[in-house]
Amino acid sequence: DVKVTQSSRYLVKRTGEKVFLECVQDMDHENMFWYRQDPGLGLRLIYFSYDVKMKEKGDIPEGYSVSREKKERFSLILESASTNQTSMYLCASSLYQIGKLFFGSGTQLSVL
Amino acid sequence: AQSVSQHNHHVILSEAASLELGCNYSYGGTVNLFWYVQYPGQHLQLLLKYFSGDPLVKGIKGFEAEFIKSKFSFNLRKPSVQWSDTAEYFCAVIRSGGYNKLIFGAGTRLAVHP
Repeated sequence: DVKVTQSSRYLVKRTGEKVFLECVQDMDHENMFWYRQDPGLGLRLIYFSYDVKMKEKGDIPEGYSVSREKKERFSLILESASTNQTSMYLCASSLYQIGKLFFGSGTQLSVL
Repeated sequence: AQSVSQHNHHVILSEAASLELGCNYSYGGTVNLFWYVQYPGQHLQLLLKYFSGDPLVKGIKGFEAEFIKSKFSFNLRKPSVQWSDTAEYFCAVIRSGGYNKLIFGAGTRLAVHP
């Protein structure tokens, strides 16, 4: 079974802190994604990566950056956390099969 | 911009009732359509998908969806729901440009009472 592991299930940070969310997949997938999930808004794509060191902005990249130094690891960085970034963050990976993403269990981030 | 609309945010049903969840997308070209499901405490997982061909697609656990191109719709159905179908359901569409960039709807929370 494909496993996508997110480092923290719950995280509480203060406004202005730099926050790192880590995601690791164990199936040698090319593509990795970061989404945020908010009630009533569904999932919105923040960034995705289609290869090591390659990244593209999604629909809501403002206030975020990403890093993919190794194929299995994709990090989401909040440069200066703000309260409106309180959300559930989901990491996903995929190989080539269109539309079949494997999701992690999510990180619930609260910014106070 | 492409978007996906799910009309019902919350649905409550009794076991054995029939289910239909609406999904509409806004994109005039060729689309790939999906339904994902998130059971309580579990990961999001793919329920079913439509690429081309027969517009009626079948997925896991007795779910099916019908693609109606003229209505830009991809509604999810199940003839008889069970308590274990309680979950949140997301409709999604692939945007152009590849790389599996899915656009999701807002989701529908389904609660099935025994």
